[in-house]
Amino acid sequence: GNSVTQMEGPVTLSEEAFLTINCTYTATGYPSLFWYVQYPGEGLQLLLKATKADDKGSNKGFEATYRKETTSFHLEKGSVQVSDSAVYFCALSDLTSFQKLVFGTGTRLLVSP
Amino acid sequence: ETGVTQSPTHLIKTRGQQVTLRCSSQSGHNTVSWYQQALGQGPQFIFQYYREEENGRGNFPPRFSGLQFPNYSSELNVNALELDDSALYLCASSPAEGGPNNEQFFGPGTRLTVL
Repeated sequence: GNSVTQMEGPVTLSEEAFLTINCTYTATGYPSLFWYVQYPGEGLQLLLKATKADDKGSNKGFEATYRKETTSFHLEKGSVQVSDSAVYFCALSDLTSFQKLVFGTGTRLLVSP
Repeated sequence: ETGVTQSPTHLIKTRGQQVTLRCSSQSGHNTVSWYQQALGQGPQFIFQYYREEENGRGNFPPRFSGLQFPNYSSELNVNALELDDSALYLCASSPAEGGPNNEQFFGPGTRLTVL
């Protein structure tokens, strides 16, 4: 079945450091890929998405590229801020079920001043 | 534009009881999905509703059931609660047009605790 694997957290960084959160997936066909972010006490917010191979999603300084050859969708940001502290979820659209999302377990990011 | 809202925010029940959670979808969205997020885990798909019909279901037992109303709002019902049902329940809405690439808009969730 379809699945998403994320690096375990927490990831602890100082402000202005470079961020990478690894995400790999297993899927039938060519799903769309998403990064969602969850701030404390809130629901999930879409951060970025990519719908086909080699697409790059970007938003708020975050980027991720859909790599079909390595089945990966790693999240990167050049300079993190304290306000980026949150839990980040990688997800894919399950093509066997309309608009069903399959999520990874999440990676907590802690950014200190 | 009003986002996805859920009620109640928190709920405490005991084993064997039944619970109903409610969700109002974002304006213009006709598809509602429900997810269960256990502590420290990613959300797991429960089911989805489109035009008042169940339109896909995850690996959850029949005691998890739902409804969608003509105004696209939705309910999640869980019967015979078990301790493992303790989780954050998330509702997400989206327009059906556009298919699986559509962004799903999530509500803040209902935190259910089963004692």
